[in-house]
Amino acid sequence: KAGVTQTPRYLIKTRGQQVTLSCSPISGHRSVSWYQQTPGQGLQFLFEYFSETQRNKGNFPGRFSGRQFSNSRSEMNVSTLELGDSALYLCASSVQGSGEKLFFGSGTQLSVL
Amino acid sequence: ELKVEQNPLFLSMQEGKNYTIYCNYSTTSDRLYWYRQDPGKSLESLFVLLSNGAVKQEGRLMASLDTKARLSTLHITAAVHDLSATYFCAVEGGGSNYKLTFGKGTLLTVNP
Repeated sequence: KAGVTQTPRYLIKTRGQQVTLSCSPISGHRSVSWYQQTPGQGLQFLFEYFSETQRNKGNFPGRFSGRQFSNSRSEMNVSTLELGDSALYLCASSVQGSGEKLFFGSGTQLSVL
Repeated sequence: ELKVEQNPLFLSMQEGKNYTIYCNYSTTSDRLYWYRQDPGKSLESLFVLLSNGAVKQEGRLMASLDTKARLSTLHITAAVHDLSATYFCAVEGGGSNYKLTFGKGTLLTVNP
């Protein structure tokens, strides 16, 4: 069974640009959540989607957005990039999203210059 | 706002020794998770604890949950080098489902 696939693996952008990250969950998983990991702030929740609906959102500015498609694949977008957005962005999937283990992808390492 | 505190943040152990990592959280929840992260890698699920008194064991690791004390422990028995990694606890709830609040992580180094 294929794991959670995130693309791209690495990304370098400059301030003010926007970026789109992609996540393909494990087949049959309908919940996809996104986390930001930085050395200073640790792992922080961005948002969670289930059947194309956002069920929860973390405390991030509106520049961070996401969506989920009918095949459960998800994308997150960050507009007007800031230096502080440099981080590892992790996507995780599960069958229903609560009370079960999350399967994490390898992440997208975003560097903003 | 749910807060999750892990301690210690750094742990250097000798092979063969036992130790415990503690995870305290600030609001009511009965869903707690433990994850492992190797350097440069993603997170791997270790345990899912879903009720008061839950205990799970896998190899040299055992996790427990006391929801009344808002405390989970991850006990390491007879540590081996392969257990060197960062261990995170994460709590779901506090009025917010489908969202995990992570502790800062415990960097475990097991020395020969």
